Amino acid sequence: QVQLVESGGGVVQPGTSLRLSCAASGFSFSGFAMHWVRQAPGKGLEWVAAIPYDDSYNSYADSVKGRFTVSRDNSRDTLYLQMNRLTAEDTAVYYCAKNFDFWSGSVRTQEYFFGSWGQGTLVTVSS
Amino acid sequence: EIVLTQSPAILSLSPGERATLSCRANQSVSSYLAWYQQKPGQAPRLLIYDASNRATDIPARFSGSGSGTDFTLTISRLEPEDFAVYYCQHRSSWPLTFGGGTTVEIK
Repeated sequence: QVQLVESGGGVVQPGTSLRLSCAASGFSFSGFAMHWVRQAPGKGLEWVAAIPYDDSYNSYADSVKGRFTVSRDNSRDTLYLQMNRLTAEDTAVYYCAKNFDFWSGSVRTQEYFFGSWGQGTLVTVSS
Repeated sequence: EIVLTQSPAILSLSPGERATLSCRANQSVSSYLAWYQQKPGQAPRLLIYDASNRATDIPARFSGSGSGTDFTLTISRLEPEDFAVYYCQHRSSWPLTFGGGTTVEIK
């Protein structure tokens, strides 16, 4: 079954950097777009970034554009999120999520929904 | 950016009752809308995709409807495990966005 395990969270000071990782297993990682979604304490969900299966064109929320970079290593089945110039507003649980897919007859279709999620890793930005 | 507004913010119901949750978009998202359920301390779970299609292993008491700007998630008869927070999310354009959520609580 699909398993996504995030790591790399912790407590950091404002203005610093952090890199999150997400180890994927149970599916063909190189064939799926992947996402990062975050949730501030007690708040709702916020999509952060998406990366297609071939790393051809990445997309970001305006709140992180220019500061965060999503990348992937298909040889290691691992997704990354490089976060720079962190602020208190970036404090959240960060989830990695696999793009949703389903079979329609003999055709597999992917859609930009979040079909499987990791357990999340907490990032706290505080001085 | 497409803004999704969910209502009500809190829905207080008893087990066995029917729950009707609303998600409204500030511009058309066609049928490109999903619903998720999130329980405390857990990651969200996909319930409905493309407005009305149940994801794998989702019970039939969950149904979705709507298109364009107005969408509804209906839980026909609430089970104890259905009390949770529900989010809608569109995939019509970048950026992907979520609604603010509806909490379904036990009355």
